[in-house]
Amino acid sequence: GAVVSQHPSRVICKSGTSVKIECRSLDFQATTMFWYRQFPKQSLMLMATSNEGSKATYEQGVEKDKFLINHASLTLSTLTVTSAHPEDSSFYICSAAAGGAGEKLFFGSGTQLSVL
Amino acid sequence: SQQGEEDPQALSIQEGENATMNCSYKTSINNLQWYRQNSGRGLVHLILIRSNEREKHSGRLRVTLDTSKKSSSLLITASRAADTASYFCATDGVAAGNKLTFGGGTRVLVKP
Repeated sequence: GAVVSQHPSRVICKSGTSVKIECRSLDFQATTMFWYRQFPKQSLMLMATSNEGSKATYEQGVEKDKFLINHASLTLSTLTVTSAHPEDSSFYICSAAAGGAGEKLFFGSGTQLSVL
Repeated sequence: SQQGEEDPQALSIQEGENATMNCSYKTSINNLQWYRQNSGRGLVHLILIRSNEREKHSGRLRVTLDTSKKSSSLLITASRAADTASYFCATDGVAAGNKLTFGGGTRVLVKP
């Protein structure tokens, strides 16, 4: 099946620094990738939809200047958490669809961000 | 807000028993999917059932869909300790702009 690689898997950073998370589709092209945030024992909350070659579409309440998304190629999307603060600590997961809208998603293994 | 709500939130069973979890949703959907997540990991797709389907099987998994009740169930038969995970339903509907919306999840613990 399709593989999505996400790294780093875990990052610890100081407050005020920026952190970049990469999401790659290894064996298929993904025109659309999705970024989620997940708190412990809770569901996934969609943050934004990343579209190759165009601006990301952010969900209501998600600060686009805080969470920068770049989808420069058909196999790579990046999420940069800028000026991270402790409240940004969370589990971030990306996914990509190999097919059309509503088809199954392939997920990265997630990134645990801890901001000190 | 989440489209799907899952019931129960947590389930503890003995190995060999069946595990059943339910998902209810609010608006019309095109598809409903079930995913599994091991602790601290990404999600793995289990089954996709379309709105015109009523039941689907995959190995030890059985999914039903009742669009009149806006609900779905996931049954895991003859559970194993390795089935311990969180299980999420996800719906895709016009109201959500065809994006997947995830339910709250059911945490399943299978005791050996």
